[in-house]
Amino acid sequence: DAGVIQSPRHEVTEMGQEVTLRCKPISGHDYLFWYRQTMMRGLELLIYFNNNVPIDDSGMPEDRFSAKMPNASFSTLKIQPSEPRDSAVYFCASRWDREGTQYFGPGTRLTVL
Amino acid sequence: KNEVEQSPQNLTAQEGEFITINCSYSVGISALHWLQQHPGGGIVSLFMLSSGKKKHGRLIATINIQEKHSSLHITASHPRDSAVYICAVKGGVNDMRFGAGTRLTVKP
Repeated sequence: DAGVIQSPRHEVTEMGQEVTLRCKPISGHDYLFWYRQTMMRGLELLIYFNNNVPIDDSGMPEDRFSAKMPNASFSTLKIQPSEPRDSAVYFCASRWDREGTQYFGPGTRLTVL
Repeated sequence: KNEVEQSPQNLTAQEGEFITINCSYSVGISALHWLQQHPGGGIVSLFMLSSGKKKHGRLIATINIQEKHSSLHITASHPRDSAVYICAVKGGVNDMRFGAGTRLTVKP
């Protein structure tokens, strides 16, 4: 298996633009997580899905952020409109059961100018 | 006070030394994770613990639920162990809380 795949790996955009981050989890994994990492706040859990259904989005910072999982092999995290404070590395992770090991993608480094 | 505290924040060791990184938490948890973040940014999950001890190669993780404390040990450290080690605790259904990380540098 190729592991968790994220795209793009790097994104530079201007304030106000829409940004879409993509994630392909490991086949067979039922849980998918979106994290954000910044120097100031470290790693933060944004949202997670179980069987394509969002379970808890309490970590999503504000309404500008939205996440979808239309099928078991694909998820998106969208920021609209983007702001400079959204600059961070966004990680996607998946696991096959509620308590198992998480497998992280390589991350998307987002820079909002 | 952070709910998940790691110590030390930074650690420099010579190759071959035994290393211990500590994690203390103040919330009830169902599991604790140790993550390794490489200098390139990739994150690898090392261990998930709910009790006792786990070993994988030169890495050993222990947890004491009563004392709300976990340790990650590295035996015979090597420069390739240089990374940031992050402790994360899982409380409720989806209550992942992360420590700030310990930056380990192992010198040859």
